[in-house]
Order: sequence, then structure tokens, then C-alpha cells
Amino acid sequence: GENVEQHPSTLSVQEGDSAVIKCTYSDSASNYFPWYKQELGKGPQLIIDIRSNVGEKKDQRIAVTLNKTAKHFSLHITETQPEDSAVYFCAASVPGTYKYIFGTGTRLKVLA
Amino acid sequence: KAGVTQTPRYLIKTRGQQVTLSCSPISGHRSVSWYQQTPGQGLQFLFEYFSETQRNKGNFPGRFSGRQFSNSRSEMNVSTLELGDSALYLCASSESNTGELFFGEGSRLTVL
Repeated sequence: GENVEQHPSTLSVQEGDSAVIKCTYSDSASNYFPWYKQELGKGPQLIIDIRSNVGEKKDQRIAVTLNKTAKHFSLHITETQPEDSAVYFCAASVPGTYKYIFGTGTRLKVLA
Repeated sequence: KAGVTQTPRYLIKTRGQQVTLSCSPISGHRSVSWYQQTPGQGLQFLFEYFSETQRNKGNFPGRFSGRQFSNSRSEMNVSTLELGDSALYLCASSESNTGELFFGEGSRLTVL
């Protein structure tokens, strides 16, 4: 069945350094890949997304890359700040349905 | 615009009981999805409704059910609760089937 693997499960970086989170999906027909940030006690919030017809997308300090051949996509956060500390989830759309498969999450800690 | 509202935010039940959770989507959003979030498992898709019709269902037992009303508000019900049902239940609304999911803050269910 559909599956999304996410690594690492935890990531600690020094403030100002970059952070990279990687996901691999199983269904080659998936065409939409959002990334969500979940702060403590809150619901996940979309931070960036990418569609299968694009290889890279950037929004200020956040970027996402997609490699359709390898079925792999990554989140890149540059110049990390303490407020970037949260749990990040990747997801992939399931073709022909209205559901998403989520990765198991990455807890990012930005150390001041 | 008000965000997605979920009630109750916290609840404690005992095994064998049943529970009903409520979700009010963002005004104008007709799609409502439900996800179960547990530590280490990420977000697992439960079901999605659009205009009072269930369009997709995840791999959960029949004890998990839902419905959507004409005003797009949605409820989910879990009958004969088990310890493993303890989780954060997240509701998300969307304007379109491949658009951004807007999550509520969730209903945290504890089953004793």
C-alpha cells in the first residue's frame, strides 16, 4: 500500500545552521507533496508544498526539492531560529482519492 | 475568518464507552477530513467528507464512523473504546480536493 518514510525522527541543530528532513514515497503517481509544522499543543500548519511538475520551490528560509525518479522529496530550512523548533511532517497525496499519507514526523530542536 | 474548531479539546473515557467528537470547518470549506495522531505513527487517515458524502475511508475498524451535516460541520464517533484508541484526533478542512488542509487543534482522547 501507500507509504511515506521520513528521516530523521529527531534533529538538533545550532541556531543559524541549516536543517534537512528527507521523505520517500511509494506511489509513483502521487502528485502533491505538502510539509506541515506542528507546534506544541497545536494542529499541523502547512509551511510549503510542491507539485510533481516542479523540481524545487523556495519561500524565504524554507525550500523543498522533489526527485520524482527516486520518489524522494526534502525540506531545507536555512538560518534556523529557535522558533523553528517543532515537529515537521511530510505528506504525499494518494492518487484518485482525497487523502494524504503522512510521514511519522521529525522533531527539530534549534539550540540557541 | 475563524479557523477549524474542534470540541471537546480533552476528554477521558473508559474502555467500552463511546465518544463523539465535533468539528466545525472554516466557513466556505466543504471538505472535512479526520486523522488520528499517535506518537511514532504520525497522522493516520480516518475518513473524508464532502457535501455530506464520505468520499474516502482509511483502514480503521468499523467502530470508527463519521458524518457530515448540511452546514459542513462534521462529527466522528468511536464505539466500544479500546486503550489503543487513545490519541489526538485531528480534523482538517479544505477548499478543494488537492488543496491545503487547515487543521484544528485536535481533540485529545484518553481511554482508561
